[in-house]
Amino acid sequence: EAGVVQSPRYKIIEKKQPVAFWCNPISGHNTLYWYLQNLGQGPELLIRYENEEAVDDSQLPKDRFSAERLKGVDSTLKIQPAELGDSAVYLCASSPNAGAAYNEQFFGPGTRLTVL
Amino acid sequence: GEDVEQSLFLSVREGDSSVINCTYTDSSSTYLYWYKQEPGAGLQLLTYIFSNMDMKQDQRLTVLLNKKDKHLSLRIADTQTGDSAIYFCAETSTGGGNKLTFGTGTQLKVEL
Repeated sequence: EAGVVQSPRYKIIEKKQPVAFWCNPISGHNTLYWYLQNLGQGPELLIRYENEEAVDDSQLPKDRFSAERLKGVDSTLKIQPAELGDSAVYLCASSPNAGAAYNEQFFGPGTRLTVL
Repeated sequence: GEDVEQSLFLSVREGDSSVINCTYTDSSSTYLYWYKQEPGAGLQLLTYIFSNMDMKQDQRLTVLLNKKDKHLSLRIADTQTGDSAIYFCAETSTGGGNKLTFGTGTQLKVEL
């Protein structure tokens, strides 16, 4: 079974440019998460989807960040315009059933963004 | 809000046991987890423990939970060079929608 797929793996852009990251979760997983991982830190949740609905986007900086999961499967996270401080690894994760008491999250390899 | 803390670095010799510690503040934590992250890779779940347990063993891994002190530890027996990675403690809590709150990570270095 394929794991969580993310692309691109690496992205280098100049500040003020837009950038987009794509994630394809494990087949059948209803819940999708985007995390931000700064260097030397643990991941922090940006947004959580249940199917196509964003149920927790409280940590998403909405002035420049946006996300979508139109058909409840794959998802795109966008930054426009990018700032130097956005340089980080963006991780996508998925889990099968948010309603379960225990709900393992499976992580993709991440996209490493460098803003120059 | 929730806070999870770990020491930053641990160095052990191959064959020795490693103990990675974690403290958390959220008294409503339901599950606590240990994830492993190798360079350039995503996070891999190693093991987890439910908050009403105080110990869980899985092959070379032993998790100890002291709920009173809000302290979690991961012991790796017979540590190998392949265990070199960053280890993250994480927790989910009731009402958190399965949101994982991670610690800062402990970098484990295994020396020959």
